[in-house]
Amino acid sequence: EPEVTQTPSHQVTQMGQEVILRCVPISNHLYFYWYRQILGQKVEFLVSFYNNEISEKSEIFDDQFSVERPDGSNFTLKIRSTKLEDSAMYFCASSAPLPGASYNEQFFGPGTRLTVL
Amino acid sequence: AQSVTQLDSHVSVSEGTPVLLRCNYSSSYSPSLFWYVQHPNKGLQLLLKYTSAATLVKGINGFEAEFKKSETSFHLTKPSAHMSDAAEYFCVVSDIFGSSNTGKLIFGQGTTLQVKP
Repeated sequence: EPEVTQTPSHQVTQMGQEVILRCVPISNHLYFYWYRQILGQKVEFLVSFYNNEISEKSEIFDDQFSVERPDGSNFTLKIRSTKLEDSAMYFCASSAPLPGASYNEQFFGPGTRLTVL
Repeated sequence: AQSVTQLDSHVSVSEGTPVLLRCNYSSSYSPSLFWYVQHPNKGLQLLLKYTSAATLVKGINGFEAEFKKSETSFHLTKPSAHMSDAAEYFCVVSDIFGSSNTGKLIFGQGTTLQVKP
């Protein structure tokens, strides 16, 4: 069964460093998402991406964040200068809504745990 | 704006007894609702979804949820809990009618289900 994969599973970095989190969505999916979950808090939407551009982003997704689909398979989240408060689990998701569908089922990867020291 | 509220942060049941995890939603439109489960150190797995078809939705592992528009509820139930059901459960609404119609997911705070032997 196809699945979303994410690498690395755990990333430790120093404050101020750049990190890139990688995701491989399900191959025929068209919509891509990043969410994050700070320890003990709920899952929060960061950004959605469609047709090679950002379609929506949350207030969390400031200038320090960027996303890219550099080739036909990978979807990356870059944090330019990490802060302590960026420590969280980051989930990638993808979906392929059927035309006229009233819902959008998203498939999640296992997550990358980012620890900023 | 759409939102979900999970009424219990922690639920504890004995193995073999029924499970009830409560969720209320707020939506200006007919919502798409989901329950996701997160086992320790694992990603998010879809349990079931409501997409304006049958109001009683059956999911994996014996879980069910009933959409009640009059009560704006989407409670998750299971007749008999297993030890393996111990996990974090998220009630989720899809913002399919959001500003860019990308269907970002809006998560509740989560309910931790503890199953005692």
